[in-house]
Amino acid sequence: DTGVSQDPRHKITKRGQNVTFRCDPISEHNRLYWYRQTLGQGPEFLTYFQNEAQLEKSRLLSDRFSAERPKGSFSTLEIQRTEQGDSAMYLCASSRFRGLGYEQYFGPGTRLTVT
Amino acid sequence: GESVGLHLPTLSVQEGDNSIINCAYSNSASDYFIWYKQESGKGPQFIIDIRSNMDKRQGQRVTVLLNKTVKHLSLQIAATQPGDSAVYFCAEFSGTYKYIFGTGTRLKVLA
Repeated sequence: DTGVSQDPRHKITKRGQNVTFRCDPISEHNRLYWYRQTLGQGPEFLTYFQNEAQLEKSRLLSDRFSAERPKGSFSTLEIQRTEQGDSAMYLCASSRFRGLGYEQYFGPGTRLTVT
Repeated sequence: GESVGLHLPTLSVQEGDNSIINCAYSNSASDYFIWYKQESGKGPQFIIDIRSNMDKRQGQRVTVLLNKTVKHLSLQIAATQPGDSAVYFCAEFSGTYKYIFGTGTRLKVLA
């Protein structure tokens, strides 16, 4: 396994701009997750894909957020009309059943700062 | 780099001592649990997991204990090293796909 990768690692944007993040999961992991993490908190679930199907989207995710996983491999998370409250670490994770359960592995995250 | 968890509970231990980090989980139906380590500016790193039909599981220098009666997990780190300094989270898995993360604990290793 080469690990989950995310791009970019850091993004600074002005309020009102659109941003897009990419996640490449571990190959053959059919489950992919996006989380948001703010200081002092654990990762907060945003959305989940099984292969290319988006099966759940958190109520925390406003209409400005959209995620895709077009071919069941990499995924993108887009935030439109960014607001200062969107500043956070955006984490991607992938998982598959192995050993005792669905082992979930995280990428390094994309740190978003909205000015 | 930016710190994770500036206001988290903190456990300070002397280098070489054993550390015990605790976590209370919320759902009695959760059947799988993972401990993660998160260093500043990085994503959470998988450390060890355990199923609900187990009480204990050991890895390299780490042991996870599960008490289902009181919905409690603990992570024991033997001979704590400076590189163990990080924030530690537990995650519970219930249903078919969702993980719920507990409040993290910052571990500080004193030289």
